[in-house]
Amino acid sequence: GQNIDQPTEMTATEGAIVQINCTYQTSGFNGLFWYQQHAGEAPTFLSYNVLDGLEEKGRFSSFLSRSKGYSYLLLKELQMKDSASYLCAVTDSNYQLIWGAGTKLIIKP
Amino acid sequence: IAGITQAPTSQILAAGRRMTLRCTQDMRHNAMYWYRQDLGLGLRLIHYSNTAGTTGKGEVPDGYSVSRANTDDFPLTLASAVPSQTSVYFCASSDEAGEDNEQFFGPGTRLTVL
Repeated sequence: GQNIDQPTEMTATEGAIVQINCTYQTSGFNGLFWYQQHAGEAPTFLSYNVLDGLEEKGRFSSFLSRSKGYSYLLLKELQMKDSASYLCAVTDSNYQLIWGAGTKLIIKP
Repeated sequence: IAGITQAPTSQILAAGRRMTLRCTQDMRHNAMYWYRQDLGLGLRLIHYSNTAGTTGKGEVPDGYSVSRANTDDFPLTLASAVPSQTSVYFCASSDEAGEDNEQFFGPGTRLTVL
């Protein structure tokens, strides 16, 4: 079967760094996405990884290890507006996105 | 219009009624998707269309149908709604169907079936 695992909820402090992990088991792999979703809103794209390694984009970075079926999203210099759910999604062999349930990130002052 | 729009924003529906959720995009994207999002579960693909005139079934297609008569519109129809179809429905689009194509999402439709 296809499975993507993420922690349900995490809490972090404003100004700190947080790492959100994602592990996956899918039928084929054609890339991994991270999306951000604020409560009551639509998901919006954050990052895409298809090769092993770290992709950096401002305060956000995403890492992929294909051999381990593992990715993480790193958020630096946390701001209150980063309070949201973070969704991990993998493109499978049929080029369909398989989504994790998301990690709700709570930022405290 | 900028991006993807969905209508209605929310709807309460009696079981057994027919309902069409509308989705329109103005980005000239070839691929479009319908997802449902339920608490504690990831987004689940209902139906998709890789290009105008073609559609395909996703993970949870039962009870739903779609059509893609043109590039811009991708309506989702519930022929006879049941309470288990209570959910938030998101329409999305991407330039092409493929491994690195970012999907853009509409604002969602919150549907309650009683």
